[in-house]
Amino acid sequence: AQRVTQPEKLLSVFKGAPVELKCNYSYSGSPELFWYVQYSRQRLQLLLRHISRESIKGFTADLNKGETSFHLKKPFAQEEDSAMYYCAHVSGGYQKVTFGIGTKLQVIP
Amino acid sequence: NAGVTQTPKFQVLKTGQSMTLQCAQDMNHEYMSWYRQDPGMGLRLIHYSVGAGITDQGEVPNGYNVSRSTTEDFPLRLLSAAPSQTSVYFCASSRAPRDSPLHFGNGTRLTVT
Repeated sequence: AQRVTQPEKLLSVFKGAPVELKCNYSYSGSPELFWYVQYSRQRLQLLLRHISRESIKGFTADLNKGETSFHLKKPFAQEEDSAMYYCAHVSGGYQKVTFGIGTKLQVIP
Repeated sequence: NAGVTQTPKFQVLKTGQSMTLQCAQDMNHEYMSWYRQDPGMGLRLIHYSVGAGITDQGEVPNGYNVSRSTTEDFPLRLLSAAPSQTSVYFCASSRAPRDSPLHFGNGTRLTVT
């Protein structure tokens, strides 16, 4: 079965420090991977997807098929980045969207 | 432009009671799904639908029923609530989840005593 693993439940960094939120997946086919974010008192929303290869709010994520990873990175953390981040995978035929357990990012001023 | 609307926002049930969580979207999305969010467990898929009349089970379907009679609506039914179903429930929709993002509702916080 497909699985998305986020090993850290909580990540605390100081403002201005680099951020890396880890995500590993297990899937034998071509993965479709996403990062979603939930800010306090807001809806879950898409942050970025691997196929677009773009930077959103300074965040980037590169798909590494060899390591089956899709880590989310930002060179300089901002206080407004504090939120819950979920890595998600979409299966091919069944269109199931599977989420990891999420990582709470806390940016310390 | 309402997007995905969930009702109610909060609900308290007693063990054994039944209820329906409502979800409606106005974006003409074929794909709709229900998740529950629990501390330390992330978002777990309960049921999903790829179009009217078509539903399938997710990771944690036991204790929940769904139906999809229209494109717009995807209600989630708890036939006999149990304390283990205390959670925050999210409905989400998408044009096609491999190609376009999920749009989430605001969630329903359910407590079963």
